[in-house]
Amino acid sequence: DIVMTQSPDSLAVSLGERATINCKSSQSVLYNSNNKNYLAWYQQKPGQPPNLLIYWASTRESGVPDRFSGSGSGTDFTLTISSLQAEDVAVYYCQQYYATPYTFGQGTKLDIK
Amino acid sequence: QVQLVESGGGVVQPGRSLRLSCAASGFTFSSFAMHWVRQAPGKGLEWVALISYDGSNEYYGDSVKGRTTISRDNSKNTLYLEMNSLRTEDTAVYYCAKERSYQALWGYCDYWGQGTLVTVSS
Repeated sequence: DIVMTQSPDSLAVSLGERATINCKSSQSVLYNSNNKNYLAWYQQKPGQPPNLLIYWASTRESGVPDRFSGSGSGTDFTLTISSLQAEDVAVYYCQQYYATPYTFGQGTKLDIK
Repeated sequence: QVQLVESGGGVVQPGRSLRLSCAASGFTFSSFAMHWVRQAPGKGLEWVALISYDGSNEYYGDSVKGRTTISRDNSKNTLYLEMNSLRTEDTAVYYCAKERSYQALWGYCDYWGQGTLVTVSS
């Protein structure tokens, strides 16, 4: 199975500042035939189901604010929130869908400093 | 608007069986693959199972393989998850989720239900 490891486990960022969450996969999730990285990012607020933010590692889902961006390729990926807003407090998960069983990172809890 | 409503959770004894349902509306259910994902209390997300839009393909997570069946009834717009030989470690909120892309099996989900809690305890 592909193991997804996020860092850090938690972080606190001041409002308006940049937040960066990393995700590393135990093997490449880049499919060479279509040059796509099979990597998604989700946001989960307390008491709510996950919300899709990013897929194909860098494609923002419709309706997601443009302060959220995804980058990376192969085994190393990053979710960046360019200017943290109060409503961004949540747990963030990366997920690989390169191969079943699909797997999630352990989550990164983001708070306001 | 897309709605996914799970039901069937509750308290069940170890070793028993349970069937969860997910009623879908607001989209053409028969054209999208569907997933189950679970979350143990205070823990992260764990992908459980996937079924293709037409029910012809099924995939399972390691921890449930062999004792779990995902199925769907496209005439009723309903997704199911039948779990047998339940263990205490199956205690979790079970979410059904819609595959984002039409008739695809990519593996990422754009709509999720609110979840149903399954508690396995004697």
